[in-house]
Amino acid sequence: DAGVTQSPTHLIKTRGQQVTLRCSPISGHKSVSWYQQVLGQGPQFIFQYYEKEERGRGNFPDRFSARQFPNYSSELNVNALLLGDSALYLCASSSAGGNQPQHFGDGTRLSIL
Amino acid sequence: QKEVEQNSGPLSVPEGAIASLNCTYSDRGSQSFFWYRQYSGKSPELIMFIYSNGDKEDGRFTAQLNKASQYVSLLIRDSQPSDSATYLCAVLSNFGNEKLTFGTGTRLTIIP
Repeated sequence: DAGVTQSPTHLIKTRGQQVTLRCSPISGHKSVSWYQQVLGQGPQFIFQYYEKEERGRGNFPDRFSARQFPNYSSELNVNALLLGDSALYLCASSSAGGNQPQHFGDGTRLSIL
Repeated sequence: QKEVEQNSGPLSVPEGAIASLNCTYSDRGSQSFFWYRQYSGKSPELIMFIYSNGDKEDGRFTAQLNKASQYVSLLIRDSQPSDSATYLCAVLSNFGNEKLTFGTGTRLTIIP
């Protein structure tokens, strides 16, 4: 079975631009979470969606938004990019919410010039 | 005080020895605990999870949880060079959402 898939793998943008990152969860998983990981740190929680509803939001500015589609795939949008948004963006899925283990995709490495 | 604390290392362990990785957390209401392995340039890979006090074993890995002390650890027996990676401790505190709070990770190096 395919794991969590993310696209694109790498992305280079300039300050002020907008970006959309995509994630497809493991088949049968209904919960998707997004994390940001900067070098030398653990991942930081951005959003969680379950059954197309936002269940949690981390301490990120309103420039960050996300949504989940009927097929449980998800998009993360970041507007007005800043240099500090350069990071590895990780998507994780789990089967049913609650305390089920989350499995990560390979991530999208975003570089802001 | 950080919510989840790990010794950043690096931790160097001879091949074949036991590697011991430690993690403490601040939220006494935390319910679920996870260990992820992350190779350089790669994404985190789930290797163990534990919900109840005590030990949980899976192959060469043992997770230990002590909620009274707010402490969780990971033991790796018969360490192999392929175990060299950063190990991330993650804690789930709120069942209302699936926010995982991560430590900064411990870099482990297995010396052949």
